[in-house]
Amino acid sequence: SQQGEEDPQALSIQEGENATMNCSYKTSINNLQWYRQNSGRGLVHLILIRSNEREKHSGRLRVTLDTSKKSSSLLITASRAADTASYFCATDTLPEDNDMRFGAGTRLTVKP
Amino acid sequence: DAGVIQSPRHEVTEMGQEVTLRCKPISGHNSLFWYRQTMMRGLELLIYFNNNVPIDDSGMPEDRFSAKMPNASFSTLKIQPSEPRDSAVYFCASITTGSSYNEQFFGPGTRLTVL
Repeated sequence: SQQGEEDPQALSIQEGENATMNCSYKTSINNLQWYRQNSGRGLVHLILIRSNEREKHSGRLRVTLDTSKKSSSLLITASRAADTASYFCATDTLPEDNDMRFGAGTRLTVKP
Repeated sequence: DAGVIQSPRHEVTEMGQEVTLRCKPISGHNSLFWYRQTMMRGLELLIYFNNNVPIDDSGMPEDRFSAKMPNASFSTLKIQPSEPRDSAVYFCASITTGSSYNEQFFGPGTRLTVL
C-alpha cells in the first residue's frame, strides 16, 4: 500500500521557474527520500532527509520535512527542460526496516 | 558496477502463458525488492528479500505471482498464468542493509504486456 501522497499530481512550468512538489505521509518515519523517474526508465535517488532534519540542500534541490504535519516538500530552483520527469517521495519507518513505500508521484513538465 | 540488471526489458505474451522476470542486484547488496508500476496504481512493492530470504510478500497480488532468490546475485519473479491486468512495468531494486542511508538502486524495468 502507498504511504506517501504527492501533490500536485501534475505540474507544468516554464524553464527558469521554480517547481515545488509536496508529499504527505501517514505514519511516523525514519527517513524520507525523493526519487526521480524519467519516462520509461527506473527511479533514480535524489536526496534523503532524516526524521530529525528539517531542511536539506543538494545543488538546485531543496527538501524540507515537517514531521508534525507529516509532510515534505521538494523545491527545484531555476528549472530546466531536462528536469521534466516524475518525482516520487518514499518513506521508511523503523531503522531496521528497508521496506519503503512510494507515493503516486508528481509529473513535472518544464517547458523550454 | 553495471547497476541492477533486469531481463528481459520488454515482454509480450498471451494470456495464460507463464512469464519469468529476472533480476541481478548490485554486487554486495543484500536486500532486493520487486515493484510493479501502473498508471492506475502507481508504484507498488510486491515483495522484498533480505539475505535471499523473503521478508514481506504482502504486496504480491495473488497466488499466480511467485518470487525466488536462490542466491545473492539472482532473483526471479514469475507469473503463472498471466492475465492482461498483469500488464505493467516491473522494477527490481537493491540496497545494502545495515546502512543508515537507505538509497535503493533501481533497475531499468521490464515492460510486460499480456494480450
